[in-house]
Amino acid sequence: DIQMTQSPSSLSASVGDRVTIACRASQSISRHLNWYQQKPGRAPKLLIFTASTLQTGVSSRFSGSGSGTDFTLTITSLRPEDFATYYCQQSYTIPPAFGQGTKVEIK
Amino acid sequence: EVQLVESGGGLVQPGRSLRLSCAASGFTFDNYAIHWVRLVPGKGLEWVSGISWNSGSIGYADSVRGRFTISRDNAKNSVYLQMNSLRAEDTALYYCTKDIGLMMKFYFDYWGQGTLVTVSS
Repeated sequence: DIQMTQSPSSLSASVGDRVTIACRASQSISRHLNWYQQKPGRAPKLLIFTASTLQTGVSSRFSGSGSGTDFTLTITSLRPEDFATYYCQQSYTIPPAFGQGTKVEIK
Repeated sequence: EVQLVESGGGLVQPGRSLRLSCAASGFTFDNYAIHWVRLVPGKGLEWVSGISWNSGSIGYADSVRGRFTISRDNAKNSVYLQMNSLRAEDTALYYCTKDIGLMMKFYFDYWGQGTLVTVSS
């Protein structure tokens, strides 16, 4: 099975900061990588699919990059509503594994 | 508006069974694969099982294979997860999620609010 590893596990940032979250796959997954945002008590929300395609309705402050085994989610100019946990997930093969999550907290 | 509404969760003893349901609306149900994904306390998200539009393709995580069974009824716009021989490690919030196509592509674009399953004596 493919394992997904995110870093960091958590980070503290201020409103207006630029935030970068890394995700690494245990083997190449081409660009079959998705990013989700989850707020406490809420369902996960798809932000980005196929590594860099923004889901309809998602703010352009979110962007994704990478291919193969290394991927990045970037949030430019962090806003209060962006404080949440972010998960990467590979859709290359079954089982579709998630990373362990990165919690973005207010500094 | 796409809606997925889970039900059937609860407190159950180890070894017992539970059946989860997911009622869908707001889209052409039999055009999409559907999955169950769980949020395990302290561990994160874990894919549990998925089913294609016509039930022709089904998948399970190793951790539940042989104990859980997924099914769907397109006439009722519903998906089910029969969970047998439940274990403490199955304790989680179970989400129903919609895929982007007929077959399992593992792109989860809509999610329900989840139903909580607690396995404890």
